[in-house]
Amino acid sequence: AAGVIQSPRHLIKEKRETATLKCYPIPRHDTVYWYQQGPGQDPQFLISFYEKMQSDKGSIPDRFSAQQFSDYHSELNMSSLELGDSALYFCASSNTGFGGYTFGSGTRLTVV
Amino acid sequence: AQSVTQPDIHITVSEGASLELRCNYSYGATPYLFWYVQSPGQGLQLLLKYFSGDTLVQGIKGFEAEFKRSQSSFNLRKPSVHWSDAAEYFCAVGYSSASKIIFGSGTRLSIRP
Repeated sequence: AAGVIQSPRHLIKEKRETATLKCYPIPRHDTVYWYQQGPGQDPQFLISFYEKMQSDKGSIPDRFSAQQFSDYHSELNMSSLELGDSALYFCASSNTGFGGYTFGSGTRLTVV
Repeated sequence: AQSVTQPDIHITVSEGASLELRCNYSYGATPYLFWYVQSPGQGLQLLLKYFSGDTLVQGIKGFEAEFKRSQSSFNLRKPSVHWSDAAEYFCAVGYSSASKIIFGSGTRLSIRP
């Protein structure tokens, strides 16, 4: 079965650089979520999109932005990177009709 | 607001022994409850979920969980653990089948040979 695809799997950036993470949800899933998991931490909700509109917002820094495109894929843009942004970034998708909720394998971002 | 408490930070059990990981939630209505497992540096794998119906939920890898509304609990159990079960386990709660989910702080499971 198709899963949530995230790219890249690993990313190394320097401080103050910009990073873009991509997420391709499961086909027919209409909602995408982004989570951040710092070392030894539980995943923290950042933001979600339903039908290409922002549906909920969590503890997402102002330096981060995200959007969902017409093909339902989503991108998380992170600017002015800081060392503390080093984390695993997970994308998940769901379908409001069926209640499925599936995570991707994550993107490991390392800021040096 | 929703919250999830996993009171045990780290648990060690012997291989072949039974396991119970505790999870308590705080939410006013009927919650949507999940258990995820994560190996080091890996993604989150769904073990099982509870939305409604039978309060005893069967999941993958021989895990089960029981929703107890009176105790606001959703404890995860396995009758006999295997060395490959060593991982971090997260309980999570949502307010609908498609809302954001809030994670507990996790319980790290170690298996004693």
